[in-house]
Amino acid sequence: EAQVTQNPRYLITVTGKKLTVTCSQNMNHEYMSWYRQDPGLGLRQIYYSMNVEVTDKGDVPEGYKVSRKEKRNFPLILESPSPNQTSLYFCASSFSGLEWGYGYTFGSGTRLTVV
Amino acid sequence: KNQVEQSPQSLIILEGKNCTLQCNYTVSPFSNLRWYKQDTGRGPVSLTIMTFSENTKSNGRYTATLDADTKQSSLHITASQLSDSASYICVVSAGSGNTPLVFGKGTRLSVIA
Repeated sequence: EAQVTQNPRYLITVTGKKLTVTCSQNMNHEYMSWYRQDPGLGLRQIYYSMNVEVTDKGDVPEGYKVSRKEKRNFPLILESPSPNQTSLYFCASSFSGLEWGYGYTFGSGTRLTVV
Repeated sequence: KNQVEQSPQSLIILEGKNCTLQCNYTVSPFSNLRWYKQDTGRGPVSLTIMTFSENTKSNGRYTATLDADTKQSSLHITASQLSDSASYICVVSAGSGNTPLVFGKGTRLSVIA
């Protein structure tokens, strides 16, 4: 089944403790992206990647890091999480950043709470 | 600034009734517009995609319209079901290249029996 898999689904952590949220897709998509979703603000892009070893900042990159060492994986790294990073996170992928005629496939989400 | 505005913010309707959700955008250049359905706590799922030349597109009980001149789109849901309760998000693609998608904040639809 074609899908984007995020792990974990739920995570509670303490301020300053490094964490990684994994994202993997099995559709051979070039384009992958991370979003956070907060009440009243909608989905906001954190980082995106056009292909292996190509990453760039989205609208809200502060406090996050990403890497794209292989096509299928795009982990989101929080080096020193803070409470304002408590949010619902989504990974998404598509064949092309142009998104022309192709759909974004979203993961099921990771609900992160930083205390 | 590229923006997508959706209305209403929330809507409650009785099962079996129809409803229409609105999306206005100021994204330029325009590539395509997509409606997503997002169940609570789940990832968004694409319903329809509209390109510049398309005015109407249907997907079952969902019908999307696009007026590229006025930069407006609507999503009409016919004979609503309880399972239609979700957030509906309008997303506009701002042309080619690295430009990220522009997301609306969504309309929260509740269908009640």
